[in-house]
Amino acid sequence: AQSVTQPDIHITVSEGASLELRCNYSYGATPYLFWYVQSPGQGLQLLLKYFSGDTLVQGIKGFEAEFKRSQSSFNLRKPSVHWSDAAEYFCAVGLTGTASKLTFGTGTRLQVTL
Amino acid sequence: NAGVMQNPRHLVRRRGQEARLRCSPMKGHSHVYWYRQLPEEGLKFMVYLQKENIIDESGMPKERFSAEFPKEGPSILRIQQVVRGDSAAYFCASSPPYSSGGAGEQYFGPGTRLTVT
Repeated sequence: AQSVTQPDIHITVSEGASLELRCNYSYGATPYLFWYVQSPGQGLQLLLKYFSGDTLVQGIKGFEAEFKRSQSSFNLRKPSVHWSDAAEYFCAVGLTGTASKLTFGTGTRLQVTL
Repeated sequence: NAGVMQNPRHLVRRRGQEARLRCSPMKGHSHVYWYRQLPEEGLKFMVYLQKENIIDESGMPKERFSAEFPKEGPSILRIQQVVRGDSAAYFCASSPPYSSGGAGEQYFGPGTRLTVT
């Protein structure tokens, strides 16, 4: 069964600083990988996804993520964080080749200081 | 194109009552998923449905919970005889048919926050 680990429960960065959120997955083949963002009291918004091809994927709001097969990682990055990026971020994995359930990590709560 | 719609957004039930949560997928999407989010936790998969079929219910509690996605109308998640432990946010997601080029990405609704008193 697939699993996702987000080792950082809570991260605080200053506005304008760079950001990297870690995600490690466990899955027997190349998975579908996703990052979602959730603001308080809201649903989840898809930031970006990786299915195949270029291992560096660009998403919305200036985010990017890099798939590293050797490390089973899919870390999310942003070069310069804005105060509006404060939210909960979830990494998720799905099965390749079919529509199926997503398995989520426990999330990383991002706080941005001014 | 309207997103995934869920209603009600907030639902309060007393212990022992029934809760019915509704989800209308995005236009053109034929796959519906339900997830539950407990406070300070990530989302846990409950059930995956296509029209008139339950595809995967491996995350559904064995008792009191049921889901349907009829030919017409929204998907319904039904919780009978609710208990305090059912208090959570319930999210619905939808995805396009895989054959249409959709590759598993899911779009989420705003959620229904169930409180059991």
